[in-house]
Amino acid sequence: EIVLTQSPATLSLSPGERATLSCRASQSVRTYLAWYQQKPGQAPRLLIYDASNRATGIPARFSGSGSGTDFTLTISSLEPEDFAVYYCQQRSIWPPLTFGGGTKVEIK
Amino acid sequence: EVQLLESGGGLVQPGGSLSLSCAASGFAFSSYAMSWVRQAPGKGLEWVSSIRGGGGSTYYADSVKGRFTISRDNSGNTLFLHMNSLRAEDTALYYCAKDRIRLGYGWDFDYWGQGSLVTVSS
Repeated sequence: EIVLTQSPATLSLSPGERATLSCRASQSVRTYLAWYQQKPGQAPRLLIYDASNRATGIPARFSGSGSGTDFTLTISSLEPEDFAVYYCQQRSIWPPLTFGGGTKVEIK
Repeated sequence: EVQLLESGGGLVQPGGSLSLSCAASGFAFSSYAMSWVRQAPGKGLEWVSSIRGGGGSTYYADSVKGRFTISRDNSGNTLFLHMNSLRAEDTALYYCAKDRIRLGYGWDFDYWGQGSLVTVSS
């Protein structure tokens, strides 16, 4: 089973700042990695697929990078609606499909 | 507009059974793999099960294998999860999720329902 480790667990930033979230895989997942955003009381929303492709309707301030075992989600300038929990998910080697434990981006 | 509407959740005793449904609309249901993903209260996301568009292939997490069964009715655009021998650790919000790729297998999810809460407790 591929384990995804997200860091940090919590990121405290102010609106307008840059957010950098990390996802590390226990073995290579090539570029088969997705990122989701989840706000309280809501279902997850797909942000990025295949490491660097923005999903439909996702603003350009969200970008993804990486391959192999190390991946990054960057939010270039935080908007108030971006404070949420973010999860990575791999689809390279499965079952099982696996998710990371999440990074909470909170207002500083 | 893609819509996924789960139903069937509730309170069940340990060892009991429950069935979830997910009514899909706004897309060619039979052309997409579908999945169930759960989230225990205050916890992260956990993949539970997936089924290919034609229904011929199914996949399960080890934690539910042998107890849960995923199925689909393509004529009625509905996804199901039949859960037996439920345990306290199965308590979670269960989401149905649509695969991103049509007639292919993305195994990531571009649309999610709002979830159906399953509580296993005596």
